[in-house]
Amino acid sequence: QVQLVESGGGVVQPGRSLRLSCAAPGFTFSNYGMHWVRQAPGKGLEWVAAISYDGGEKNYADSVKGRFTISRDNSKNTLYLQMNSLRPEDTAVYYCATAPEGSAIRGTGAGGIDVWGQGTTVTVSS
Amino acid sequence: SYVLTQLPSVSVAPGETARITCGGNNIGTKSVHWHQQKPGQAPVLIISYDVKRPSGVPERFSGSNSGNTATLTISRVEAGDEADYYCLAWDSGDWVFGGGTKMTVL
Repeated sequence: QVQLVESGGGVVQPGRSLRLSCAAPGFTFSNYGMHWVRQAPGKGLEWVAAISYDGGEKNYADSVKGRFTISRDNSKNTLYLQMNSLRPEDTAVYYCATAPEGSAIRGTGAGGIDVWGQGTTVTVSS
Repeated sequence: SYVLTQLPSVSVAPGETARITCGGNNIGTKSVHWHQQKPGQAPVLIISYDVKRPSGVPERFSGSNSGNTATLTISRVEAGDEADYYCLAWDSGDWVFGGGTKMTVL
């Protein structure tokens, strides 16, 4: 049973940094590509970043490129999102999610997003 | 950048059929995935690769994709189907979500 538990959210001032974690107990984490998706208050879903099963491939949305870094530690079954130079418009609920098992994280034939965590809230405000 | 267009809202009576569309340039050449998000909850995948239903998703949910429009069809709508629905597709380096459609069950 795939289960994802995000942590690390909170209130942070503009320009500061925050690192989100996503624990993935109880399944073979290293078989799955992973995504971060965010949702601003009252708004729709926005894809943020993705990482392949082995960490060798990473993709970012233009809105976060150069500021956010996605990474993973398969020995700890954990996904990370390092967020630097935070802006008020980064305020959102951040979800981690799996790609389908064995699926690529990019390309027309990629499987998209499969299982979602419950999210962690990030508020960027002075 | 690629844009997926969804109507902001749709209303349907219980027992009727709801059709939620997702428009995009040549979207029929892409794989489209649909997610359902109920109030206060995380999204849930309900259709993958245009037409595939994950286990546990009722047969009332179906998908199609052709030309410039992908469609999520919900047959025999129930009160519990009231939610936001998002389409998702890959294009040129980015995963793109539609803006979402809020379905209200009358």
